[in-house]
Amino acid sequence: SQLAEENLWALSVHEGESVTVNCSYKTSITALQWYRQKSGEGPAQLILIRSNEREKRNGRLRATLDTSSQSSSLSITATRCEDTAVYFCATDAWPNYNVLYFGSGTKLTVEP
Amino acid sequence: DTTVKQNPRYKLARVGKPVNLICSQTMNHDTMYWYQKKPNQAPKLLLFYYDKILNREADTFEKFQSSRPNNSFCSLYIGSAGLEYSAMYLCASSLLGGRDQDTQYFGPGTRLLVL
Repeated sequence: SQLAEENLWALSVHEGESVTVNCSYKTSITALQWYRQKSGEGPAQLILIRSNEREKRNGRLRATLDTSSQSSSLSITATRCEDTAVYFCATDAWPNYNVLYFGSGTKLTVEP
Repeated sequence: DTTVKQNPRYKLARVGKPVNLICSQTMNHDTMYWYQKKPNQAPKLLLFYYDKILNREADTFEKFQSSRPNNSFCSLYIGSAGLEYSAMYLCASSLLGGRDQDTQYFGPGTRLLVL
């Protein structure tokens, strides 16, 4: 079974709305990353949040990490059509902390 | 420049024939990775090079080979393609490779179709 998993397969919002994608993971981690993959492109990192951090921001993006419940969330405010993509969370696992294990992703569609 | 390049972008292969995919990066990154991505599934790590050391995942150990002739290039080799190899193959690189998680930079992928 996967070490990380997003809670929804797909999500749809209208431009300007806020949206949150959630992720749960199974092991003790050193960090969790969020990636976005747009159609025809490879995944691109959005945020890396370390296990001693509770929140990290990157522009309109905000990630949280709760190590006690082994969960993370990625929130996007003021969504735009170009935010349409698949969003993945990814974690490491002992002993390979430089290796990422991805979830299946949440497909976000932002409609005009 | 944080570009990872992959060639070819699309590859059609026949069952039983070999396939060789190429990845390159000019960021002088220590680690290069290969993932297999199928629709609606998580990217699955196949193997990675930390400098010249190859690490392969246990469940794909015999299915995929790789070489890294220099820091910039890394190949993924399938000796005999089967229908189940049809997928997107993603290459990534990261600066670090030791005991610390780091940003991975992905290429656009090679879409492999095996017929």
